Amino acid sequence: EADIYQTPRYLVIGTGKKITLECSQTMGHDKMYWYQQDPGMELHLIHYSYGVNSTEKGDLSSESTVSRIRTEHFPLTLESARPSHTSQYLCASSETSPFKGNEQFFGPGTRLTVL
Amino acid sequence: LAKTTQPISMDSYEGQEVNITCSHNNIATNDYITWYQQFPSQGPRFIIQGYKTKVTNEVASLFIPADRKSSTLSLPRVSLSDTAVYYCLVVGSSNTGKLIFGQGTTLQVKP
Repeated sequence: EADIYQTPRYLVIGTGKKITLECSQTMGHDKMYWYQQDPGMELHLIHYSYGVNSTEKGDLSSESTVSRIRTEHFPLTLESARPSHTSQYLCASSETSPFKGNEQFFGPGTRLTVL
Repeated sequence: LAKTTQPISMDSYEGQEVNITCSHNNIATNDYITWYQQFPSQGPRFIIQGYKTKVTNEVASLFIPADRKSSTLSLPRVSLSDTAVYYCLVVGSSNTGKLIFGQGTTLQVKP
């Protein structure tokens, strides 16, 4: 059973606010990821981490930032939210091995609306 | 990463077997073929993964011909709850973990 959690599930905020989307996993996975997905559209990788103190930008440019201070925690921060940031944000984690690592476990997502 | 091509949508009826084919002509020797399922407003869920021939688990079967330029996900006796988007991905064995999700195939199962 996958144990990866995201909070909040839904967030409506005003333009210019700073927000942090939380993601935690209890599987001990070294690799963690953030994806962005608009309704009915493709998922795009925006950040990933191979372990503590490791973060990389994904294929889709994002104004968000991430940190990885603890293995189980991978928060995403937007310093100043804008309406263009309205989207669903999905967190995932996986093992490190080449084969098992292709099985990513996804959280339930955070649906962000910026007014 | 090899590009994949799969049908945008498919319809089926409850109880039927559904086969979704994916083309990946540029697959590399060390690439794996992986399939995910996504329900509306949820994150994707891993279904099955294979390298060659046939792989079967409790959810689906994956058929991969010898040239590995295509693969077929087979869902036996689908139900309404199998209505979802199905993604075919090709992932390199170096596994940076960077999965590329395309448009996927939207499967609609009708009663």
